[in-house]
Amino acid sequence: DTAVSQTPKYLVTQMGNDKSIKCEQNLGHDTMYWYKQDSKKFLKIMFSYNNKELIINETVPNRFSPKSPDKAHLNLHINSLELGDSAVYFCASSQRQGARNEQFFGPGTRLTVL
Amino acid sequence: AQKVTQAQTEISVVEKEDVTLDCVYETRDTTYYLFWYKQPPSGELVFLIRRNSFDEQNEISGRYSWNFQKSTSSFNFTITASQVVDSAVYFCALSEEGTGRRALTFGSGTRLQVQP
Repeated sequence: DTAVSQTPKYLVTQMGNDKSIKCEQNLGHDTMYWYKQDSKKFLKIMFSYNNKELIINETVPNRFSPKSPDKAHLNLHINSLELGDSAVYFCASSQRQGARNEQFFGPGTRLTVL
Repeated sequence: AQKVTQAQTEISVVEKEDVTLDCVYETRDTTYYLFWYKQPPSGELVFLIRRNSFDEQNEISGRYSWNFQKSTSSFNFTITASQVVDSAVYFCALSEEGTGRRALTFGSGTRLQVQP
């Protein structure tokens, strides 16, 4: 059983479209995250939810909207996609929201905007 | 503000060589945690180790060892007798307890290539 899963694995779309990436964890963790990895491999936090509540919202365009229907799921919806949104998006989860908790990552979703 | 620096962009070694990946961090927090993650060519991120700011003991796990030195704000990672399967990008990361910003701040990564 995959601990943290993301769908789709690859997403190719045109500029201006709206798309969603789904994330699910079966670890029973309370906290989930979205990270963006750019073409230079740099990883940066975008959002974090703890028990369905938003706790971290970095400087991310309003076109990005996370949604957590329950603590096992954290989806990412992106409106009006731009070329610069092309990246690998990683979902992660940790047992709790404390800094000590290691985060377990999903396999990533490679988004390509044409 | 927190910061993690991995000055080595890419390292290439021949199999069986030892290699050390450097990580230097900056934080004003007194309670923080340091992590190493591995990203193999397949792309997933694999957790390797966590260290808290109060525990400066070195750790060894098989061919992997970690050296944490608060005096130099460094958390270096050594692979002994490297193998081709060690080829990956390795990330050092920091999270801080006091600031409430408990997401990981990553370094820029070091790409390790182990040649047969």
